[in-house]
Amino acid sequence: AQSVTQLGSHVSVSEGALVLLRCNYSSSVPPYLFWYVQYPNQGLQLLLKYTTGATLVKGINGFEAEFKKSETSFHLTKPSAHMSDAAEYFCAVSVGGGNKLTFGTGTQLKVEL
Amino acid sequence: GAVVSQHPSRVICKSGTSVKIECRSLDFQATTMFWYRQFPKQSLMLMATSNEGSKATYEQGVEKDKFLINHASLTLSTLTVTSAHPEDSSFYICSASGGAGTQYFGPGTRLTVL
Repeated sequence: AQSVTQLGSHVSVSEGALVLLRCNYSSSVPPYLFWYVQYPNQGLQLLLKYTTGATLVKGINGFEAEFKKSETSFHLTKPSAHMSDAAEYFCAVSVGGGNKLTFGTGTQLKVEL
Repeated sequence: GAVVSQHPSRVICKSGTSVKIECRSLDFQATTMFWYRQFPKQSLMLMATSNEGSKATYEQGVEKDKFLINHASLTLSTLTVTSAHPEDSSFYICSASGGAGTQYFGPGTRLTVL
């Protein structure tokens, strides 16, 4: 079975600073990896995904993530945080093409002036 | 593209009544739809997976007779919470997949049972 660990349930950064949200996964087969963002009282919006091919994946709103198989990681980064980035971020994994997602516990990102 | 809608966005009902939540994929055909439940400040918990024209597959611990799921077409799935009780109050989110491995999520439905 696959699993996802998100280190840090809360991350706080200053506006303009680097955003780094950590995600490690466990899977016995090559995984598909996803990052979703959730704003209060809303559903999840897909930020980016890795399936195969290039390991550095660029997503919406300036976010990107790099799949590192040797480290079983898929950390999310953004060079410069904006106030509008404040939200809950979820890393997720699916395997075997079955579409079923396993989510991490989420990281609340706070952006301060 | 890949827009998923949910209706209603918010519902308040009395204990013992049933509530139906609709999930629609607006611009693609969803071979599979998923229903999740999310408690405050927690992650999403998968309740069930439904494929068009088939019975839903429920996760362990989810009562299939309480949470009725119907996936009658490639663009519509419904979740009915039967005989709702206060402990069923939660945020329910659906997602839809066209089979390419990516799920697209609806905006969620806030259910409050009095």
